[in-house]
Amino acid sequence: DTAVSQTPKYLVTQMGNDKSIKCEQNLGHDTMYWYKQDSKKFLKIMFSYNNKELIINETVPNRFSPKSPDKAHLNLHINSLELGDSAVYFCASSPQASGRAAFFGPGTRLTVL
Amino acid sequence: SQQGEEDPQALSIQEGENATMNCSYKTSINNLQWYRQNSGRGLVHLILIRSNEREKHSGRLRVTLDTSKKSSSLLITASRAADTASYFCATVANAGGTSYGKLTFGQGTILTVHP
Repeated sequence: DTAVSQTPKYLVTQMGNDKSIKCEQNLGHDTMYWYKQDSKKFLKIMFSYNNKELIINETVPNRFSPKSPDKAHLNLHINSLELGDSAVYFCASSPQASGRAAFFGPGTRLTVL
Repeated sequence: SQQGEEDPQALSIQEGENATMNCSYKTSINNLQWYRQNSGRGLVHLILIRSNEREKHSGRLRVTLDTSKKSSSLLITASRAADTASYFCATVANAGGTSYGKLTFGQGTILTVHP
């Protein structure tokens, strides 16, 4: 009965590889997000989807490609991983266009070697 | 760009004491939210205060908002060891009358409550 779930929880990979992180929410929310938290705990939005439509893309390198097959899922694919991509990635969801509270997943700790 | 700045960056207190964290932001907002993050976990929403509100309470939490100073504070009363966590403020900006809930986070305050 987890509200927002992410897989995997940990991801360790070599530079240059391609990897995906999956996110699912069972809250019936229309809006989903990806946030990146760096080593200094700073959280920054990367993408937002509303009803499967991309509405926010915060100058993220095009190596990062979000995909939303339906409004309950928002996956993040990363090509050609770089050392600087190491971070914790959080998926979140909120009711549509409301500015209300967001529900966050547990995070995926990505380590690029 | 980073919207909020939080103060202090770290706060260490004894159980039973009150903890006050401050947040400043730069642009006009629709609302401001506070989140807690326990070590190695996701963020949990604590409280939301709208731009036309000045104070809000939830249990041991009290949030104030001063839009003229573009600042907010979070007060945790009678703190417990379990309150040890990082606390973040996040703003939702007005954007042409609509908002898709984009949260812009401050840097966070690390609170340690000693038993």
